[in-house]
Amino acid sequence: AQSVTQPDIHITVSEGASLELRCNYSYGATPYLFWYVQSPGQGLQLLLKYFSGDTLVQGIKGFEAEFKRSQSSFNLRKPSVHWSDAAEYFCAVGDGTDKLIFGTGTRLQVFP
Amino acid sequence: GAGVSQSPRYKVAKRGQDVALRCDPISGHVSLFWYQQALGQGPEFLTYFQNEAQLDKSGLPSDRFFAERPEGSVSTLKIQRTQQEDSAVYLCASSWDRYSTEAFFGQGTRLTVV
Repeated sequence: AQSVTQPDIHITVSEGASLELRCNYSYGATPYLFWYVQSPGQGLQLLLKYFSGDTLVQGIKGFEAEFKRSQSSFNLRKPSVHWSDAAEYFCAVGDGTDKLIFGTGTRLQVFP
Repeated sequence: GAGVSQSPRYKVAKRGQDVALRCDPISGHVSLFWYQQALGQGPEFLTYFQNEAQLDKSGLPSDRFFAERPEGSVSTLKIQRTQQEDSAVYLCASSWDRYSTEAFFGQGTRLTVV
């Protein structure tokens, strides 16, 4: 069965610092991979997705993610974090059917 | 509408009470999904509709949970005889296709059972 692991429950960075959020997945074939962001009281907003092709994916708000099949990873990165990036980030995997499997999330805190 | 709309945003129910949560998907989206997000957890799949057909209800935790989408647009998630463990945020999402390749989520309904 598919699964997603986000090893970091909580990350704190200074504004302007770089960011990397880790995501590991378990799936037999090439998965569909997603990163979503959830601000307090808000729904999930799609940051980026990977289906096939170029393993470096660009998303909204300056985020990018790299699919590494050998490591079963899909880590999210941003070169310079803004205070408005503080939120909960969820990695998800889909197998091309109807459901997404989400990780438990990483809460990002940004200090000025 | 511009996005997925859910109502009510907040619901407090006494244990044993029945509740109904509504989802208005983006106009024209054929697929509709319900997820349950417990506190501190990621969303977990409950059920999926393609138009009016409920094609997957494998995530519904018990027979107290029931979902419908009779006209292929608005959907209602009903929980009968609510219990404390039902307390969670219930998220609805819709997409153009059946593969949730780009699902748009609503803001959710926070259900608290007391």
